[in-house]
Amino acid sequence: AQTVTQSQPEMSVQEAETVTLSCTYDTSESDYYLFWYKQPPSRQMILVIRQEAYKQQNATENRFSVNFQKAAKSFSLKISDSQLGDAAMYFCAYRTLTQGGSEKLVFGKGTKLTVNP
Amino acid sequence: DTGVSQNPRHKITKRGQNVTFRCDPISEHNRLYWYRQTLGQGPEFLTYFQNEAQLEKSRLLSDRFSAERPKGSFSTLEIQRTEQGDSAMYLCAGLRGGNTEAFFGQGTRLTVV
Repeated sequence: AQTVTQSQPEMSVQEAETVTLSCTYDTSESDYYLFWYKQPPSRQMILVIRQEAYKQQNATENRFSVNFQKAAKSFSLKISDSQLGDAAMYFCAYRTLTQGGSEKLVFGKGTKLTVNP
Repeated sequence: DTGVSQNPRHKITKRGQNVTFRCDPISEHNRLYWYRQTLGQGPEFLTYFQNEAQLEKSRLLSDRFSAERPKGSFSTLEIQRTEQGDSAMYLCAGLRGGNTEAFFGQGTRLTVV
């Protein structure tokens, strides 16, 4: 079974600085998707960035980028020029397809990011 | 706003009572997840629908839990004979077509007293 590990329960960063959140995963599949989701306090979880495993190029979305190391099964998120609105729980997730056409996201336990002014 | 709404937002119930939650995704969301999230944990998969067909149920989903998605539109999650361990946030997410992005609702927070 696939597992996702986020080893940093909490992280903090100064406004305008850069922070990296870590994620490792375990799988025997060769093709899959990885995601970072953001869950602000009392608000809906939203997608930050996604990576397709067959793509060697790291995904970027404005201030957010990933460092995808397929062989090491590592998928870290870098947030540049951190803003107060980036404060949230961040979840790393792996998308797995199962027999019978089902699918699911497997989440890590999350990293709480605090942004200090 | 992700377009996915969940009701109620909060539910307090006495142990042993039955509760039902509702999820309304947008019409384009032919696929739908239910997840459970407890404090300090990531969301745990409960069940998956493709249109009206329930294709997978987690082992977490005991016989007390049942989910439906009639006509592939809204979905309901019912918990019978609630227990204190059922206290959690219940999240619903919709996905459209073959897209991989899941759009989550704000969740229903259940407290069993």
